[in-house]
Parts: sequence; structure tokens; C-alpha cells
Amino acid sequence: SQQGEEDPQALSIQEGENATMNCSYKTSINNLQWYRQNSGRGLVHLILIRSNEREKHSGRLRVTLDTSKKSSSLLITASRAADTASYFCATENTGNQFYFGTGTSLTVIP
Amino acid sequence: DADVTQTPRNRITKTGKRIMLECSQTKGHDRMYWYRQDPGLGLRLIYYSFDVKDINKGEISDGYSVSRQAQAKFSLSLESAIPNQTALYFCATSIAWGDEQFFGPGTRLTVL
Repeated sequence: SQQGEEDPQALSIQEGENATMNCSYKTSINNLQWYRQNSGRGLVHLILIRSNEREKHSGRLRVTLDTSKKSSSLLITASRAADTASYFCATENTGNQFYFGTGTSLTVIP
Repeated sequence: DADVTQTPRNRITKTGKRIMLECSQTKGHDRMYWYRQDPGLGLRLIYYSFDVKDINKGEISDGYSVSRQAQAKFSLSLESAIPNQTALYFCATSIAWGDEQFFGPGTRLTVL
């Protein structure tokens, strides 16, 4: 499979703590995206980082990309109960194929 | 006034039945996608369309067919449903390939 893989599969933290999840992928990419999915609902786009970028911020989100290690991380700072969701990375590879990873399930305990 | 809508939202059917899932969008995007989601497997691409005349197979197209009736409408059909097609199905749109995708709310399909 060409899918990205998120790590950890599940993460449970206290409200106010930071949450970090990682995505590894197998082939060279044009860009990598992160999405959030609340239980049983459609995915919502969070951030897109291109292969020539190393870091990107959006509000409490910070995404890094290390193309040499074929990995990305998503950091959510000062987590809130409303951040409880599954988080997926998605990659567009240089062969113009697009794949989602298997997701990290984040639980933020109030 | 959702931008991407899917009908039905839930469907229970029997093995061998023909099923059609419909997707409509008001975003004006040319690119439309159908995915299925199974627990622990993430989303997998079934079919995608760049415009009404351009339809392409995705990672797991066997057992499925699609129709792009208009820029705004993209339907997914299961000609003869089988139990392992039980899943959550999502439609999505984007301006261009590789860009941010906008998802519908999903259709939960159960094949008995």
C-alpha cells in the first residue's frame, strides 16, 4: 500500500496539554495535507504543506515536514475537548496519486 | 446549505441488490471523488472525475461504477452489493488535483 501511516493510532491527553501525531509515507510527494474527522462525519481540511516547505502554522496547529525522512508531524497546542477527533494525513505523490493514512484517534479529557 | 451533499445518509440493503449513492455540490469544482472508509483502514479512493468527460479508477474500483451527470453531480453505483461493501462512503470535491478537498457528510451503507 502507498498509504501514509499515522502514529500513534490512539492518543489520550488532558485538556490544555499539547498533542503530537506523526505521519510517515513511502514515496516522494508534491504536498501533504492534514484532515480532522469528528466521529462518523465528513473530513475537514486543516492544513496543506508543500514539499518545499518545512513548517506551517494555522492557529493552534503546527505542521512540520521532513522530506528526507518522509515524515510529517501535526502539533495541536493547548488542546481542548472539542479537539477530540480522528486526524488523517493525506499525500499527493509525485506520480499524481493521492492517498489517505489510517488516522490517529485523539481524545482530549476535560 | 451544505456545499457537498450526499443521499441517502443511511442505507441498509441485501446482497445482490443494486444501489446508487448520489453526491451534489454547489462549490463549482470540477474535481469530484468517491471514497470508502473502513475501520482501521482510513479512506480509500474508489473513483475520481476531473470533469464530466473524464472519469478515472482509484485504488479500489472493482464492484463499483460511477456516473458524472453534470459538473455538480457524481453518482456511485454498486451493481450487485455484497457484504464486504458495508462501509462509510464519502464524496469530496476540489478545485484541482492535490488541493484541499471538501467532503460531504457521508453515507453509511450496510449490506446484509
